[in-house]
Amino acid sequence: DAGITQSPRHKVTETGTPVTLRCHQTENHRYMYWYRQDPGHGLRLIHYSYGVKDTDKGEVSDGYSVSRSKTEDFLLTLESATSSQTSVYFCAGGGGMALATDTIYFGEGSWLTVV
Amino acid sequence: GNSVTQMEGPVTLSEEAFLTINCTYTATGYPSLFWYVQYPGEGLQLLLKATKADDKGSNKGFEATYRKETTSFHLEKGSVQVSDSAVYFCALIGSGNTGKLIFGQGTTLQVKP
Repeated sequence: DAGITQSPRHKVTETGTPVTLRCHQTENHRYMYWYRQDPGHGLRLIHYSYGVKDTDKGEVSDGYSVSRSKTEDFLLTLESATSSQTSVYFCAGGGGMALATDTIYFGEGSWLTVV
Repeated sequence: GNSVTQMEGPVTLSEEAFLTINCTYTATGYPSLFWYVQYPGEGLQLLLKATKADDKGSNKGFEATYRKETTSFHLEKGSVQVSDSAVYFCALIGSGNTGKLIFGQGTTLQVKP
């Protein structure tokens, strides 16, 4: 996993509550990503970061926000959780200045259930 | 925008059979292409990659060749094992080093003894 850890690994929350997932890395990766994985959809990019305080939207960013105030941590926040956000969330990190040839490493996933 | 399309699964093979999983992409310029593998209950791991046209990525008996003319990056293995059972994802990073890594929908491979 090259130093990518996610927390919490499992969470059940109620509709309408805010939720924050944390991704922590120890390898000084420049790029960090948040994906969600759902049956039939593969991995869909939510947001990604290309440096401290530099983030951009992915394919399914509505309802999610991110922050990266330091290199090691990339936070994903569901402002007001909905049942459609029940999913497995994966964080990834990697890359220096030559991302195309660098390896991107994944965390083990965070299972989120919104009831 | 950029996109990746994989063949639908699941793919079921007998041990020692030949494997092909098709992957095609849409992107401007020359993206970098990847295959990732996900074993049950785990995150994704990089299997192989190719960063320019005609490059062949290889690892653990798997191979894929970057074909610019057909915008394809098909995954092949000559003789699969039960331990190869997993979900395989094709992915790309667009040219320009934007950092945006996008995936296809994944193909489940089941290998039977």
